[in-house]
Amino acid sequence: GDSVTQMEGPVTLSEEAFLTINCTYTATGYPSLFWYVQYPGEGLQLLLKATKADDKGSNKGFEATYRKETTSFHLEKGSVQVSDSAVYFCALISSGSARQLTFGSGTQLTVLP
Amino acid sequence: GAGVSQSPSNKVTEKGKDVELRCDPISGHTALYWYRQSLGQGLEFLIYFQGNSAPDKSGLPSDRFSAERTGGSVSTLTIQRTQQEDSAVYLCASSLGGMSSYEQYFGPGTRLTVT
Repeated sequence: GDSVTQMEGPVTLSEEAFLTINCTYTATGYPSLFWYVQYPGEGLQLLLKATKADDKGSNKGFEATYRKETTSFHLEKGSVQVSDSAVYFCALISSGSARQLTFGSGTQLTVLP
Repeated sequence: GAGVSQSPSNKVTEKGKDVELRCDPISGHTALYWYRQSLGQGLEFLIYFQGNSAPDKSGLPSDRFSAERTGGSVSTLTIQRTQQEDSAVYLCASSLGGMSSYEQYFGPGTRLTVT
């Protein structure tokens, strides 16, 4: 079945550091890929997405590129801020009939001033 | 506009009791999803409704779990004879339709604690 493996946390960075959170997936066909973020005390919200190979999703300075050859969708940000502290989830929706999200285990990011 | 709302926000129940969790999706969204977030299992899919089609129940962990969606809008997730392993945050999401390109908007969740 479909699965998502993401870098285990927690990750602690200083403000303005470079961020990478690795995400790889297993799925048949061509899934759509997503990064969701959960800020402290808030619900899950979509951060960015990519629906086909080589697409780059971007939002709020975060980027991720859909790499079919390495089945990866790594999240990057050039300069993190304290306000980026949150839990980040990589997820996919299969290209088959299933419409639900399959999530990775989540990565806790803490950014220190 | 109003987002996805869920009630109650917190529920504490005794083992063996039944509970009902409610989800109000965004108006006009035809697709509705229930997920469960727990420490041991992460985020898991439970059930999916799309319009008037038969729901996809493939994620329900046991026959103690059921859900319905009335009038294509509000949904209720029912857990019968609750067990301690049912303790989790239950999340509801809705989207414009079933296409994977449609964003799923999540509610704040109901935190269920079974004592």
